Amino acid sequence: KNEVEQSPQNLTAQEGEFITINCSYSVGISALHWLQQHPGGGIVSLFMLSSGKKKHGRLIATINIQEKHSSLHITASHPRDSAVYICAAVNYGQNFVFGPGTRLSVLP
Amino acid sequence: EPEVTQTPSHQVTQMGQEVILRCVPISNHLYFYWYRQILGQKVEFLVSFYNNEISEKSEIFDDQFSVERPDGSNFTLKIRSTKLEDSAMYFCASRRTDQNTGELFFGEGSRLTVL
Repeated sequence: KNEVEQSPQNLTAQEGEFITINCSYSVGISALHWLQQHPGGGIVSLFMLSSGKKKHGRLIATINIQEKHSSLHITASHPRDSAVYICAAVNYGQNFVFGPGTRLSVLP
Repeated sequence: EPEVTQTPSHQVTQMGQEVILRCVPISNHLYFYWYRQILGQKVEFLVSFYNNEISEKSEIFDDQFSVERPDGSNFTLKIRSTKLEDSAMYFCASRRTDQNTGELFFGEGSRLTVL
Protein backbone atom coordinates (compact mmCIF):
# COMPACT_ATOMS: atom_id res chain seq x y z
CA LYS A 1 0.00 0.00 0.00
CA ASN A 2 1.38 3.37 -0.99
CA GLU A 3 1.73 5.96 1.73
CA VAL A 4 2.00 9.57 0.62
CA GLU A 5 3.33 12.16 3.01
CA GLN A 6 3.72 15.90 2.68
CA SER A 7 5.67 18.52 4.52
CA PRO A 8 5.14 20.97 5.93
CA GLN A 9 1.54 20.48 7.05
CA ASN A 10 1.03 24.23 7.32
CA LEU A 11 3.07 27.05 5.88
CA THR A 12 2.78 30.80 6.30
CA ALA A 13 4.85 33.03 4.06
CA GLN A 14 5.19 36.69 3.27
CA GLU A 15 4.31 37.87 -0.19
CA GLY A 16 7.27 37.49 -2.51
CA GLU A 17 8.89 34.59 -0.69
CA PHE A 18 10.06 31.42 -2.42
CA ILE A 19 8.05 28.43 -1.21
CA THR A 20 8.80 24.72 -1.29
CA ILE A 21 6.33 21.96 -0.49
CA ASN A 22 7.59 18.40 -0.32
CA CYS A 23 5.94 15.09 -1.07
CA SER A 24 7.28 11.59 -0.52
CA TYR A 25 5.74 8.25 -1.33
CA SER A 26 6.58 4.73 -0.33
CA VAL A 27 6.21 2.56 -3.42
CA GLY A 28 6.88 2.93 -7.12
CA ILE A 29 4.40 4.95 -9.10
CA SER A 30 3.61 5.70 -12.72
CA ALA A 31 2.97 9.40 -12.16
CA LEU A 32 2.49 12.04 -9.51
CA HIS A 33 0.02 14.91 -9.56
CA TRP A 34 0.15 18.23 -7.77
CA LEU A 35 -3.27 19.67 -7.05
CA GLN A 36 -4.48 22.94 -5.62
CA GLN A 37 -7.59 23.01 -3.46
CA HIS A 38 -9.17 26.42 -3.10
CA PRO A 39 -10.72 27.65 0.15
CA GLY A 40 -14.14 26.92 -1.35
CA GLY A 41 -13.18 23.27 -1.84
CA GLY A 42 -12.67 23.09 -5.61
CA ILE A 43 -9.65 21.18 -6.86
CA VAL A 44 -7.47 22.16 -9.79
CA SER A 45 -4.73 20.06 -11.30
CA LEU A 46 -1.41 21.92 -11.43
CA PHE A 47 1.04 19.34 -12.73
CA MET A 48 1.36 15.74 -13.68
CA LEU A 49 4.89 14.37 -13.53
CA SER A 50 6.47 11.05 -14.28
CA SER A 51 10.07 12.30 -14.38
CA GLY A 52 12.20 15.42 -14.25
CA LYS A 53 10.78 18.87 -13.91
CA LYS A 54 7.88 20.97 -15.17
CA LYS A 55 7.32 24.71 -15.01
CA HIS A 56 4.16 26.72 -15.40
CA GLY A 57 4.38 30.41 -14.68
CA ARG A 58 5.64 30.85 -11.12
CA LEU A 59 5.16 27.17 -10.30
CA ILE A 60 7.82 24.52 -10.68
CA ALA A 61 7.42 20.83 -9.89
CA THR A 62 10.21 18.29 -9.71
CA ILE A 63 10.29 14.59 -9.11
CA ASN A 64 13.08 12.18 -8.18
CA ILE A 65 11.87 8.70 -8.98
CA GLN A 66 14.79 6.94 -7.28
CA GLU A 67 14.27 8.83 -4.04
CA LYS A 68 10.45 8.67 -4.28
CA HIS A 69 10.22 12.38 -3.69
CA SER A 70 8.65 15.37 -5.38
CA SER A 71 8.69 19.07 -4.66
CA LEU A 72 6.45 21.94 -5.63
CA HIS A 73 8.04 25.36 -5.69
CA ILE A 74 6.32 28.71 -5.90
CA THR A 75 8.45 31.69 -6.82
CA ALA A 76 7.46 35.24 -5.88
CA SER A 77 4.50 34.01 -3.83
CA HIS A 78 1.31 36.05 -3.77
CA PRO A 79 -1.72 36.04 -1.44
CA ARG A 80 -3.80 34.48 -4.22
CA ASP A 81 -1.53 31.41 -3.95
CA SER A 82 -3.09 30.72 -0.55
CA ALA A 83 -4.67 27.29 -0.79
CA VAL A 84 -4.13 23.66 0.15
CA TYR A 85 -1.62 21.92 -2.09
CA ILE A 86 -2.04 18.19 -2.46
CA CYS A 87 0.19 15.62 -4.09
CA ALA A 88 -1.37 12.44 -5.40
CA ALA A 89 0.57 9.35 -6.43
CA VAL A 90 -0.77 7.18 -9.21
CA ASN A 91 -0.05 3.50 -8.89
CA TYR A 92 0.39 1.28 -11.92
CA GLY A 93 -3.34 1.24 -12.40
CA GLN A 94 -5.87 3.98 -11.92
CA ASN A 95 -5.77 4.21 -8.16
CA PHE A 96 -4.73 7.59 -6.79
CA VAL A 97 -3.31 7.88 -3.29
CA PHE A 98 -3.53 11.40 -1.96
CA GLY A 99 -1.27 13.14 0.49
CA PRO A 100 -2.78 14.99 3.44
CA GLY A 101 -2.18 18.38 1.87
CA THR A 102 -0.13 21.43 2.81
CA ARG A 103 -2.08 24.50 3.82
CA LEU A 104 -0.32 27.59 2.48
CA SER A 105 -1.12 31.12 3.61
CA VAL A 106 0.66 33.98 1.90
CA LEU A 107 0.39 37.24 3.75
CA PRO A 108 0.47 40.60 1.98
CA GLU B 1 -12.73 26.00 -21.52
CA PRO B 2 -14.29 22.54 -21.09
CA GLU B 3 -15.11 21.56 -17.55
CA VAL B 4 -16.45 18.74 -15.43
CA THR B 5 -19.82 19.61 -13.94
CA GLN B 6 -21.43 18.03 -10.91
CA THR B 7 -24.94 18.12 -9.51
CA PRO B 8 -26.21 18.72 -6.97
CA SER B 9 -23.75 21.07 -5.35
CA HIS B 10 -25.20 20.21 -1.95
CA GLN B 11 -27.59 17.49 -0.87
CA VAL B 12 -29.01 16.81 2.56
CA THR B 13 -30.53 13.40 3.14
CA GLN B 14 -31.77 11.20 5.93
CA MET B 15 -29.76 8.16 6.98
CA GLY B 16 -30.85 5.10 5.05
CA GLN B 17 -31.98 7.01 1.96
CA GLU B 18 -30.55 6.46 -1.49
CA VAL B 19 -28.54 9.25 -3.07
CA ILE B 20 -27.42 9.72 -6.66
CA LEU B 21 -24.66 12.18 -7.42
CA ARG B 22 -24.28 13.19 -11.04
CA CYS B 23 -21.30 14.21 -13.07
CA VAL B 24 -20.86 15.27 -16.66
CA PRO B 25 -17.23 14.65 -17.62
CA ILE B 26 -15.47 16.51 -20.40
CA SER B 27 -16.83 15.15 -23.65
CA ASN B 28 -13.76 13.53 -25.20
CA HIS B 29 -12.47 12.07 -21.93
CA LEU B 30 -12.27 8.33 -21.48
CA TYR B 31 -11.38 7.78 -17.82
CA PHE B 32 -13.68 8.78 -15.00
CA TYR B 33 -13.21 8.87 -11.26
CA TRP B 34 -15.03 9.49 -8.02
CA TYR B 35 -13.24 10.71 -4.92
CA ARG B 36 -14.49 11.80 -1.56
CA GLN B 37 -13.20 14.14 1.11
CA ILE B 38 -14.59 13.99 4.60
CA LEU B 39 -14.44 17.42 6.23
CA GLY B 40 -10.95 18.14 7.48
CA GLN B 41 -9.48 14.96 6.03
CA LYS B 42 -7.58 14.10 2.90
CA VAL B 43 -9.06 13.26 -0.45
CA GLU B 44 -9.71 9.53 -0.91
CA PHE B 45 -10.02 7.53 -4.09
CA LEU B 46 -13.30 5.67 -4.49
CA VAL B 47 -13.46 4.26 -7.99
CA SER B 48 -12.18 4.56 -11.55
CA PHE B 49 -14.22 3.77 -14.63
CA TYR B 50 -13.12 3.09 -18.17
CA ASN B 51 -14.78 1.53 -21.19
CA ASN B 52 -18.10 1.25 -19.36
CA GLU B 53 -16.79 -0.72 -16.46
CA ILE B 54 -15.05 -0.26 -13.15
CA SER B 55 -11.29 -0.50 -13.63
CA GLU B 56 -10.33 -0.08 -9.99
CA LYS B 57 -12.02 0.56 -6.67
CA SER B 58 -10.87 1.21 -3.14
CA GLU B 59 -11.83 -0.51 0.10
CA ILE B 60 -14.26 2.32 0.74
CA PHE B 61 -16.25 1.45 -2.37
CA ASP B 62 -18.30 -1.36 -0.85
CA ASP B 63 -21.60 -2.88 -1.93
CA GLN B 64 -23.60 0.19 -1.03
CA PHE B 65 -21.83 2.17 -3.76
CA SER B 66 -22.33 1.81 -7.48
CA VAL B 67 -21.39 3.79 -10.56
CA GLU B 68 -22.75 3.86 -14.04
CA ARG B 69 -22.64 5.82 -17.25
CA PRO B 70 -26.25 5.49 -18.34
CA ASP B 71 -26.31 7.63 -21.46
CA GLY B 72 -22.77 8.29 -22.68
CA SER B 73 -22.53 11.69 -21.03
CA ASN B 74 -23.55 11.40 -17.37
CA PHE B 75 -21.44 9.50 -14.86
CA THR B 76 -23.29 8.77 -11.65
CA LEU B 77 -22.39 7.62 -8.16
CA LYS B 78 -25.19 5.94 -6.24
CA ILE B 79 -25.12 5.37 -2.52
CA ARG B 80 -27.82 2.83 -1.78
CA SER B 81 -28.46 3.33 1.91
CA THR B 82 -26.62 6.32 3.29
CA LYS B 83 -24.90 6.31 6.65
CA LEU B 84 -23.83 9.24 8.78
CA GLU B 85 -20.20 8.57 7.85
CA ASP B 86 -20.99 9.06 4.17
CA SER B 87 -21.21 12.79 4.83
CA ALA B 88 -18.43 14.25 2.70
CA MET B 89 -17.61 16.22 -0.40
CA TYR B 90 -17.69 13.96 -3.43
CA PHE B 91 -15.56 14.93 -6.40
CA CYS B 92 -15.86 13.61 -9.91
CA ALA B 93 -12.86 13.81 -12.22
CA SER B 94 -12.07 12.83 -15.77
CA ARG B 95 -9.06 12.52 -18.00
CA ARG B 96 -8.64 11.92 -21.68
CA THR B 97 -5.84 9.38 -21.66
CA ASP B 98 -4.15 7.01 -19.31
CA GLN B 99 -2.10 7.68 -16.24
CA ASN B 100 1.14 8.58 -17.98
CA THR B 101 -0.13 11.42 -20.10
CA GLY B 102 -3.52 12.58 -19.06
CA GLU B 103 -4.15 15.62 -16.93
CA LEU B 104 -6.95 15.17 -14.41
CA PHE B 105 -9.89 17.59 -14.43
CA PHE B 106 -12.06 17.87 -11.33
CA GLY B 107 -15.61 18.97 -10.87
CA GLU B 108 -16.50 21.46 -8.16
CA GLY B 109 -17.78 18.71 -5.90
CA SER B 110 -21.08 17.64 -4.40
CA ARG B 111 -21.41 18.09 -0.68
CA LEU B 112 -23.46 15.31 0.90
CA THR B 113 -24.82 15.73 4.40
CA VAL B 114 -26.44 12.68 5.98
CA LEU B 115 -28.62 13.36 9.00
